[in-house]
Amino acid sequence: DSGVTQTPKHLITATGQRVTLRCSPRSGDLSVYWYQQSLDQGLQFLIQYYNGEERAKGNILERFSAQQFPDLHSELNLSSLELGDSALYFCASSPNLGTSGTREQFFGPGTRLTVL
Amino acid sequence: AQKITQTQPGMFVQEKEAVTLDCTYDTSDQSYGLFWYKQPSSGEMIFLIYQGSYDEQNATEGRYSLNFQKARKSANLVISASQLGDSAMYFCAYLVREGTYKYIFGTGTRLKVLA
Repeated sequence: DSGVTQTPKHLITATGQRVTLRCSPRSGDLSVYWYQQSLDQGLQFLIQYYNGEERAKGNILERFSAQQFPDLHSELNLSSLELGDSALYFCASSPNLGTSGTREQFFGPGTRLTVL
Repeated sequence: AQKITQTQPGMFVQEKEAVTLDCTYDTSDQSYGLFWYKQPSSGEMIFLIYQGSYDEQNATEGRYSLNFQKARKSANLVISASQLGDSAMYFCAYLVREGTYKYIFGTGTRLKVLA
């Protein structure tokens, strides 16, 4: 157990709909990252937050948005869903920027989104 | 642009044999970190091993070791005494600082361990 939680575990919805994925980082981690993994693909970095502020953006569509709340949990909002948005969405957290150590990312179990 | 390459989309290894998964990276940064993750069929991402760019010795964690060749910009993962449970997707990643810390992942290598 990495200490990162994601809900829901599975989500099935229809095209055109909007969904929200939730992530709680490990206790004490200020950084949260979102990734998309389509079938048999690598991880595509979407967006990073640090202590409530957006820090980096990757290949995130305009239909997608995210935020990190004062309690450090994060939500990824996906709207106007398309079939191609079906994927495994991972949240990861890492120790504070500037601290020493390996700084590996700890991944949540993922949310599998299926758009029908 | 920062880039990380895993040239082996799939590999087979006999149980109890050693296997090397390749990873090369392209960065102009002097300070960075290299990671390997395992993703079994159940989908979770499991951290395996880390190598810092300034580390003198190759990292080892149990049956996992990292063959770090800085001049060649390669960070190959060596799994010794393969087990059936090692069958999974393996991702190489590195951490660089581009304004903020950024993790970049390779496309992965699917390893199948044969009985």
